[in-house]
Amino acid sequence: AQSVTQLGSHVSVSEGALVLLRCNYSSSVPPYLFWYVQYPNQGLQLLLKYTSAATLVKGINGFEAEFKKSETSFHLTKPSAHMSDAAEYFCAVSLKDSGYSTLTFGKGTMLLVSP
Amino acid sequence: SQTIHQWPATLVQPVGSPLSLECTVEGTSNPNLYWYRQAAGRGLQLLFYSVGIGQISSEVPQNLSASRPQDRQFILSSKKLLLSDSGFYLCAWTSGSAETQYFGPGTRLTVL
Repeated sequence: AQSVTQLGSHVSVSEGALVLLRCNYSSSVPPYLFWYVQYPNQGLQLLLKYTSAATLVKGINGFEAEFKKSETSFHLTKPSAHMSDAAEYFCAVSLKDSGYSTLTFGKGTMLLVSP
Repeated sequence: SQTIHQWPATLVQPVGSPLSLECTVEGTSNPNLYWYRQAAGRGLQLLFYSVGIGQISSEVPQNLSASRPQDRQFILSSKKLLLSDSGFYLCAWTSGSAETQYFGPGTRLTVL
């Protein structure tokens, strides 16, 4: 079975500051890892994914994440926060089983960006 | 390109009333389809998934049911809604054996 832990239900940063959202996972087999972003009353939008290729993954809107197997982590970063980055972010781990994907989500981290 | 639709966008229903939420995917064939519920403070919970027409797997026992009458259509239903059914319902799809799920815009359900 797999699980995801997102440290911090809320993270506050100032505009222009570094964004760091933490995600740790547990998985019995090599995982696929994802970050999704959700704006209020909208669906989840894929930011980036790790699927066992390069460990540093670049996504949309200037976000990137690094897969660290030794730390079982997949933290999301962005060098400079914009006001438009304020949203809820979900880390997820997936295993493939019998031809379909199963996603296990963390509880989410709300990113607050102040001027 | 592929798109996923959900309707209605918002729904307010009395306790004990029936429910039908619809999800359709365009631009792909034989997708795997998923229903999630997002309740306040509880993250995303997988309710049902389907790998083909008429094939439904339930993850959580409850008073909801799902059906897949057509290849790209996924329906979530209830005969009698409970207060605890309130939440944000999300449909998602993957292409065959691919691992990435893509989500629809969601339906906000409020049961009063």
